[in-house]
Amino acid sequence: DVKVTQSSRYLVKRTGEKVFLECVQDMDHENMFWYRQDPGLGLRLIYFSYDVKMKEKGDIPEGYSVSREKKERFSLILESASTNQTSMYLCASSRDRGQELFFGSGTQLSVL
Amino acid sequence: KNQVEQSPQSLIILEGKNCTLQCNYTVSPFSNLRWYKQDTGRGPVSLTIMTFSENTKSNGRYTATLDADTKQSSLHITASQLSDSASYICVVSTRFFYGGATNKLIFGTGTLLAVQP
Repeated sequence: DVKVTQSSRYLVKRTGEKVFLECVQDMDHENMFWYRQDPGLGLRLIYFSYDVKMKEKGDIPEGYSVSREKKERFSLILESASTNQTSMYLCASSRDRGQELFFGSGTQLSVL
Repeated sequence: KNQVEQSPQSLIILEGKNCTLQCNYTVSPFSNLRWYKQDTGRGPVSLTIMTFSENTKSNGRYTATLDADTKQSSLHITASQLSDSASYICVVSTRFFYGGATNKLIFGTGTLLAVQP
């Protein structure tokens, strides 16, 4: 089975802190994604990557950056956390573009 | 504008009953449609995929339908169980070109289903 592992289930951070969310997948998938999920808004794409060292902005990249130094690892970085970044963050991977996404269990981030 | 709308927003049914969730989309060009199930505190998991030529597809007690002409899909759950309590998300894939043809996913906001004993 594909396994996508997110390093933290719950995080509490202060406004202005730099926050790192880590994601690792074990199925050699080319494609990795970061989404945030908010009630009533569904999943929104923050950043994605189709290859190592490659990254592309999704629909809501403002305030975020990413890093993909290795194929299996995709990190989401909040340079200076703000309260409006309080959300559930979901990492996903896929073998083929636009095909089935395999999600991690999510990180519930609270920024106080 | 590419959009996916789901109804109802939430639903409560008794264990053993059937229910149907709806998904309407205005996505073009259409590539495929997936239904995902998301348990509380977990990431979504794919239930079914429907391509343009498919009308019906089943996965155990879950049956998805697709009407490509009216751009509607439904997810029917038969003989519901307590474990069916979850959010069900409709996701439509559309093609766009990024270094070659690829796909963009348009997510619905989900239907929250509660199955009560």
